[in-house]
Amino acid sequence: GQNIDQPTEMTATEGAIVQINCTYQTSGFNGLFWYQQHAGEAPTFLSYNVLDGLEEKGRFSSFLSRSKGYSYLLLKELQMKDSASYLCAVWNTDKLIFGTGTRLQVFP
Amino acid sequence: DTGVSQNPRHKITKRGQNVTFRCDPISEHNRLYWYRQTLGQGPEFLTYFQNEAQLEKSRLLSDRFSAERPKGSFSTLEIQRTEQGDSAMYLCASSLGQPNGYTFGSGTRLTVV
Repeated sequence: GQNIDQPTEMTATEGAIVQINCTYQTSGFNGLFWYQQHAGEAPTFLSYNVLDGLEEKGRFSSFLSRSKGYSYLLLKELQMKDSASYLCAVWNTDKLIFGTGTRLQVFP
Repeated sequence: DTGVSQNPRHKITKRGQNVTFRCDPISEHNRLYWYRQTLGQGPEFLTYFQNEAQLEKSRLLSDRFSAERPKGSFSTLEIQRTEQGDSAMYLCASSLGQPNGYTFGSGTRLTVV
């Protein structure tokens, strides 16, 4: 079966740091993706991890532990425009399987 | 290239009617995917094509759903005899394959009344 879990909602303050966790149990694994999705819009690519460790991209970083089936997305120096849903997705053989997404609200 | 294009953006239809959506992928992408997304959920995989071949269909895809990609370029997704439960955002994505991930279109929002 395929199971990808994320918290449903999170809140944070502008300028703060937030960590969004994702755990997965899937029949196949070829990499883990994070996407950002603003309300009513298409998901946009944020990051990709295939090996264990941390990938940093500006204010966003993503971490992967394949042995633990665990990833997180770290957002630093939060801005109001970061209010969105964040989708964790596993590349399973030939397609992406998505989690339910975490809705992040950033307050001033 | 203007990215992945989906038409229409919005569709309201009466229960029992047939609807068809179109997706134009990024031209050099050989893979095309269809997903369905309901409010507060992540995208659910429906089906995908490599060139013109439909390689996988989800068990979520009932017999009322059919997808085509006749020349390996644009794709259509048809829903016959729509039901209220079909109301959702239908997302199309294209890809060159891992590790490039997907480029998504803006989606078609279907409302069945």
